[in-house]
Amino acid sequence: NAGVTQTPKFRILKIGQSMTLQCTQDMNHNYMYWYRQDPGMGLKLIYYSVGAGITDKGEVPNGYNVSRSTTEDFPLRLELAAPSQTSVYFCASSWTEAFFGQGTRLTVV
Amino acid sequence: KNEVEQSPQNLTAQEGEFITINCSYSVGISALHWLQQHPGGGIVSLFMLSSGKKKHGRLIATINIQEKHSSLHITASHPRDSAVYICAVRTGNEKLTFGTGTRLTIIP
Repeated sequence: NAGVTQTPKFRILKIGQSMTLQCTQDMNHNYMYWYRQDPGMGLKLIYYSVGAGITDKGEVPNGYNVSRSTTEDFPLRLELAAPSQTSVYFCASSWTEAFFGQGTRLTVV
Repeated sequence: KNEVEQSPQNLTAQEGEFITINCSYSVGISALHWLQQHPGGGIVSLFMLSSGKKKHGRLIATINIQEKHSSLHITASHPRDSAVYICAVRTGNEKLTFGTGTRLTIIP
């Protein structure tokens, strides 16, 4: 039982490049989330999903896209990366308790 | 105003002290989570509450639904308890919204 697996752990992108952050959970949780955490700040919700085929925007969705084609996977897509997207990204899944991935430290230069 | 407010933002205490961290929220919730984030960045779930009180080892979490308030207590605090403690609320549409966290430092 791996829990929530998030990849990559680190990435450096150039301005304008695109990438996908992968998130997979093996607990059959319906609820999955993507957050970003800027230095010294709290977690802000980017997108969330309450089940396969259903996604919704959080507080800071601009510049990001998600899909949820299966219960297990919830990838986060960054199109046209900008320096403002430099942050640590966390994926989480939940049914009763919440479980988090290890985080992705993304730097856009 | 944030939907979830935590206090204090920072807390420094001596080893052995009793610690209280507070969380107030302004929306209707189905559950409240307390989480711990260590300096390395990993986040782990401590408690999920929908009513009453839960205890795990030296940690106790309480919630008062009428007052929209929860507290996390740590008894006999230890330097290894140093971390950021985060309150998160689950609303009816299953969104998890986080407070900004309380940075706890326990001095030996």
